[in-house]
Amino acid sequence: EDKVVQSPLSLVVHEGDTVTLNCSYEVTNFRSLLWYKQEKKAPTFLFMLTSSGIEKKSGRLSSILDKKELSSILNITATQTGDSAIYLCAVPIYNQGGKLIFGQGTELSVKP
Amino acid sequence: NAGVTQTPKFRVLKTGQSMTLLCAQDMNHEYMYWYRQDPGMGLRLIHYSVGEGTTAKGEVPDGYNVSRLKKQNFLLGLESAAPSQTSVYFCATTLGPYQPQHFGDGTRLSIL
Repeated sequence: EDKVVQSPLSLVVHEGDTVTLNCSYEVTNFRSLLWYKQEKKAPTFLFMLTSSGIEKKSGRLSSILDKKELSSILNITATQTGDSAIYLCAVPIYNQGGKLIFGQGTELSVKP
Repeated sequence: NAGVTQTPKFRVLKTGQSMTLLCAQDMNHEYMYWYRQDPGMGLRLIHYSVGEGTTAKGEVPDGYNVSRLKKQNFLLGLESAAPSQTSVYFCATTLGPYQPQHFGDGTRLSIL
């Protein structure tokens, strides 16, 4: 059974801290992994990772895929209160219409 | 969320009532999905469609039906609502299985 697991499930930090969110997967025919940020409403797309070891960056956020370890990390440096959200990791299943298998999400709270 | 519109945004139903949730997209995407999000469980796929006139079951299809009569619309129906269907429902669309999915703002459904 295809599975995606995220850790930790929740995290409380202070502004300026650096955080690392983890995602591991067990998926047949793996090709890519996606990260989303969810605030009050819709999940919004952050990164899509397809190659192992290549870092994707956007401002203070970055992510790397490790195909050998079947995992990915999402780093956020110099956190701000606006980074408070649920971060979702997902893997597409291409032979089933590209449906996404999601992890449980990591709820990040950044305190002033 | 520009491009993917869900209606209604919020609804309260009584057990046994029926209703239809509408997802409309103006991005000419072929693939459309319905997910439900419950606390501690991430998002789970209910049904999906890879093109006009096609639908397929996801992980948790029981109690739901869908239709994709027009490319831009994907309807999710509850024939006889049950309290276990209390959830937040998200529609997502994509050009194809190798592209990130874009989500609507969600429909919060409470069944009493």
